[in-house]
Amino acid sequence: DQQVKQNSPSLSVQEGRISILNCDYTNSMFDYFLWYKKYPAEGPTFLISISSIKDKNEDGRFTVFLNKSAKHLSLHIVPSQPGDSAVYFCAASAYQGGSEKLVFGKGTKLTVNP
Amino acid sequence: DTGVSQNPRHKITKRGQNVTFRCDPISEHNRLYWYRQTLGQGPEFLTYFQNEAQLEKSRLLSDRFSAERPKGSFSTLEIQRTEQGDSAMYLCASSLEGRPDTQYFGPGTRLTVL
Repeated sequence: DQQVKQNSPSLSVQEGRISILNCDYTNSMFDYFLWYKKYPAEGPTFLISISSIKDKNEDGRFTVFLNKSAKHLSLHIVPSQPGDSAVYFCAASAYQGGSEKLVFGKGTKLTVNP
Repeated sequence: DTGVSQNPRHKITKRGQNVTFRCDPISEHNRLYWYRQTLGQGPEFLTYFQNEAQLEKSRLLSDRFSAERPKGSFSTLEIQRTEQGDSAMYLCASSLEGRPDTQYFGPGTRLTVL
């Protein structure tokens, strides 16, 4: 059973527009969420995170929104740039429960067209 | 800070052989994680250490797999009697205890079992 789901395998947007990547989770014990970006043949690179006590966290062009009642989070990238083209993974942990291991979704491949 | 490093980057082996991978974490990080990623999937948790103590192992970690972190610094992951199903990217990550937003990944070791 997949506890973290990214239902869109791919997303294509124009440079300068907004990219919205979505993630759903099923485990109510998850209380910390992270987004990673991954280029081919490299390890995941940390982008941004959010604790369950917040509903929004912003860092430059990246904003993560958390809707706990819907068990849904999203990553917004504004404006999108061609260098943002990569696979984006959503990850979750049950941090307050003492587990910092990450449970990942399958990823969404973002393509930003010039 | 040189980040998390992993060696080798690529390993090709024949079925039935033993292989060993090494991970050097960020120096001040006391937690070290191993994940495995197969094609089209997100990374899956295998095991993690706090200093030299192995605190959790996934059921994915069969008895052919063993991990060590002898002095609380670098870690090794050994796979005995490799099988074709072991072909994957093996990722190492490290973090500070209590700081899930500091879980940074290395570049990974790509294992191909022929």
